[in-house]
Amino acid sequence: NAGVMQNPRHLVRRRGQEARLRCSPMKGHSHVYWYRQLPEEGLKFMVYLQKENIIDESGMPKERFSAEFPKEGPSILRIQQVVRGDSAAYFCASSPSGTGNTIYFGEGSWLTVV
Amino acid sequence: GQSLEQPSEVTAVEGAIVQINCTYQTSGFYGLSWYQQHDGGAPTFLSYNALDGLEETGRFSSFLSRSDSYGYLLLQELQMKDSASYFCAVRVSRAAGNKLTFGGGTRVLVKP
Repeated sequence: NAGVMQNPRHLVRRRGQEARLRCSPMKGHSHVYWYRQLPEEGLKFMVYLQKENIIDESGMPKERFSAEFPKEGPSILRIQQVVRGDSAAYFCASSPSGTGNTIYFGEGSWLTVV
Repeated sequence: GQSLEQPSEVTAVEGAIVQINCTYQTSGFYGLSWYQQHDGGAPTFLSYNALDGLEETGRFSSFLSRSDSYGYLLLQELQMKDSASYFCAVRVSRAAGNKLTFGGGTRVLVKP
């Protein structure tokens, strides 16, 4: 059973460009969570999605950031007009439902803005 | 706001026992989880406590006291491979699925 798959693992973007990060949840999981981690810091919640629905986006910056989880295909975290402060590791996690107690993380996507 | 406090770093030798404390102040509480993360890797689930008491899983144990808003992770018979960061996390709401709020992490360094 494949785990949570994220790509790309590493991404370099110039300031002002767009970054797209993809996440395929574990098989049978329909709940996806995105977290951001700055160096030497903890994981900060960004957004929680189910298929075709954003359930909680309380951690998403109001501008430049968006997320989707379409009926078919992976979840996408999109960052427009990236700035240096967006450089971080972005982790996706999934769970089979919203009532359990465990979420399973992917290996992360490391974004570097130059 | 939500806050989870844990020590930033702990150093110990192989074979020793380490206890990582976590105190939390959150608007709701539906369980305390612990995750391990090696440098450059993914956080991996270690344990979960919903009720007061001790949960044991091999060399790792986790404890919760809801009345004290406190928990700890106990690492026994430390091995070099246990050098990693350890995060406590709280589920603060039933309405937001398994959304977890994480502490800042404790870096454990195991020395020979």
